[in-house]
Amino acid sequence: GAVVSQHPSRVICKSGTSVKIECRSLDFQATTMFWYRQFPKQSLMLMATSNEGSKATYEQGVEKDKFLINHASLTLSTLTVTSAHPEDSSFYICSASARTGEEKLFFGSGTQLSVL
Amino acid sequence: RKEVEQDPGPFNVPEGATVAFNCTYSNSASQSFFWYRQDCRKEPKLLMSVYSSGNEDGRFTAQLNRASQYISLLIRDSKLSDSATYLCVVNMEYGNKLVFGAGTILRVKS
Repeated sequence: GAVVSQHPSRVICKSGTSVKIECRSLDFQATTMFWYRQFPKQSLMLMATSNEGSKATYEQGVEKDKFLINHASLTLSTLTVTSAHPEDSSFYICSASARTGEEKLFFGSGTQLSVL
Repeated sequence: RKEVEQDPGPFNVPEGATVAFNCTYSNSASQSFFWYRQDCRKEPKLLMSVYSSGNEDGRFTAQLNRASQYISLLIRDSKLSDSATYLCVVNMEYGNKLVFGAGTILRVKS
């Protein structure tokens, strides 16, 4: 089946630093990628949707200048948490779909971000 | 009202028990529905899609009631390995965007 590779799996960083998370589709071309955030005991919340070669669409309440998303190729999307603060500590996970309208999503394994 | 609502549980059941989860969704125009399973700090994994006619996959049965806007998941003969969080997921009409419920925790004990 389709595989989405996400790394790093865990990041511990100091407050004020920026963290980049990568999400790669290994055996298919991902025209659309989604980024989610999950706080403990809460549901996955969609942060943004990115389509290859265009700007990401952010969900209400998600700061686009803080969470920079780049989807420069059909196999790679990155999420950069800029100037991370302790409240940004969360589980971040990406997913990819093979084509627009494809309902089946393939998830990365997630990144646990801890900001000290 | 949340777009997708689930009873958070936890449901604590013995091995072999039958357990049912329900989920309600707010958007009557929602197009497709899924149950995902998520283990602690892991990615969600698709358990099954949910169809209007109901569908079964081994010990798992999913039902959709469009009129009442709820989805159910029935697990028969529970195994220890079924312990996880079960996520009700709805694809809203506006694009390929999945909305996740907060999940229902299942703990199967011997």
